[in-house]
Amino acid sequence: DSGVTQTPKHLITATGQRVTLRCSPRSGDLSVYWYQQSLDQGLQFLIQYYNGEERAKGNILERFSAQQFPDLHSELNLSSLELGDSALYFCASSQNLAGNEQFFGPGTRLTVL
Amino acid sequence: DAKTTQPNSMESNEEEPVHLPCNHSTISGTDYIHWYRQLPSQGPEYVIHGLTSNVNNRMASLAIAEDRKSSTLILHRATLRDAAVYYCIPTGNQFYFGTGTSLTVIP
Repeated sequence: DSGVTQTPKHLITATGQRVTLRCSPRSGDLSVYWYQQSLDQGLQFLIQYYNGEERAKGNILERFSAQQFPDLHSELNLSSLELGDSALYFCASSQNLAGNEQFFGPGTRLTVL
Repeated sequence: DAKTTQPNSMESNEEEPVHLPCNHSTISGTDYIHWYRQLPSQGPEYVIHGLTSNVNNRMASLAIAEDRKSSTLILHRATLRDAAVYYCIPTGNQFYFGTGTSLTVIP
């Protein structure tokens, strides 16, 4: 158990819908990272937050957004969902900005029908 | 960003040492080299990281070439639980995991 929790575990929805994925980092970790893993594209870095502020952006679509709240939990919002958004979404946390040791959650499996 | 090259797959017999290579010839002087692994149906798991010197922890050892253009993750005695995809990531890749090396451990 990494100490990072993600909810829900599974999510099934339809195209065009909007969903919110939630992540609680390990106690004391200030950085939160979001990743997408699909069969054809491997593990893709989406975005990083540090102590409430966006610090790095990867291959995140404009339809996706994230935020980190004062209690350090984070949410990833996915809107106008497409079939290709079906994937595993992982959240990770680390103590510092550099992310030298990231702890990953169990992931949320999103299925878009 | 530093480009990395890892073999797509490797095999090892159980209880034998495994050396997983990674080339990162364009790494910058300040980039740490991180290794993660992902077991089937799980999230990635941190293994080890280093800058210049060789590093050891309870999971593995990391040998870094003197010119830092390559590194090797060493599992001293492979177990079935070590079967996973292993990713080598220089910091400057901003957490680009690539395709990694899929390690099969043969009983």
